[in-house]
Amino acid sequence: DMKVTQMPRYLIKRMGENVLLECGQDMSHETMYWYRQDPGLGLQLIYISYDVDSNSEGDIPKGYRVSRKKREHFSLILDSAKTNQTSVYFCASSPSGWSAETLYFGSGTRLTVL
Amino acid sequence: QQQVRQSPQSLTVWEGETAILNCSYEDSTFNYFPWYQQFPGEGPALLISIRSVSDKKEDGRFTIFFNKREKKLSLHITDSQPGDSATYFCAARTSSGQKLVFGQGTILKVYL
Repeated sequence: DMKVTQMPRYLIKRMGENVLLECGQDMSHETMYWYRQDPGLGLQLIYISYDVDSNSEGDIPKGYRVSRKKREHFSLILDSAKTNQTSVYFCASSPSGWSAETLYFGSGTRLTVL
Repeated sequence: QQQVRQSPQSLTVWEGETAILNCSYEDSTFNYFPWYQQFPGEGPALLISIRSVSDKKEDGRFTIFFNKREKKLSLHITDSQPGDSATYFCAARTSSGQKLVFGQGTILKVYL
């Protein structure tokens, strides 16, 4: 069963706290992504990972960092979270390395920073 | 700068009508255009896609019309059903092929 799993589904943090969002996939996809979704803005790309320890900034990387130590696992880290990082975060994976065809998305993590 | 734009922001149709969702883009090197469908509480899922060498792609009740010269495309949903109520995202692949750029989405509601 092809699946992208995100944990946790909901998270509430205080401003200045560190945040760890986790994502796993069982399809052995090389490429993984982190997006955030905000009303009226659609999906904005934060980071792409092409494989283990091969990460690249997306369109809005400021305030975020990522870690990928295993092909099936991709983490998004917010050091000292800010209120404007309140959003829904989606992880996705793709079977192609250089050609982004179908993206498979997880169900998202709704993060609230107070 | 929004490279992919969608209109309208929201759309309401009655069951059985045809819903038309519009999308435009700026980068003439974009060559692949998928549409993703998202239900509340879920992640987006690929619905249908088209490559820039084609001007039409059909899959059941869903059809993409593509106008390369005007840099526009549209998604037509015929015989709309309440189960089609969702947010629809138009996306475009960059010329390098490394990432997809998404539009801001159109919220579709289909009433009985």
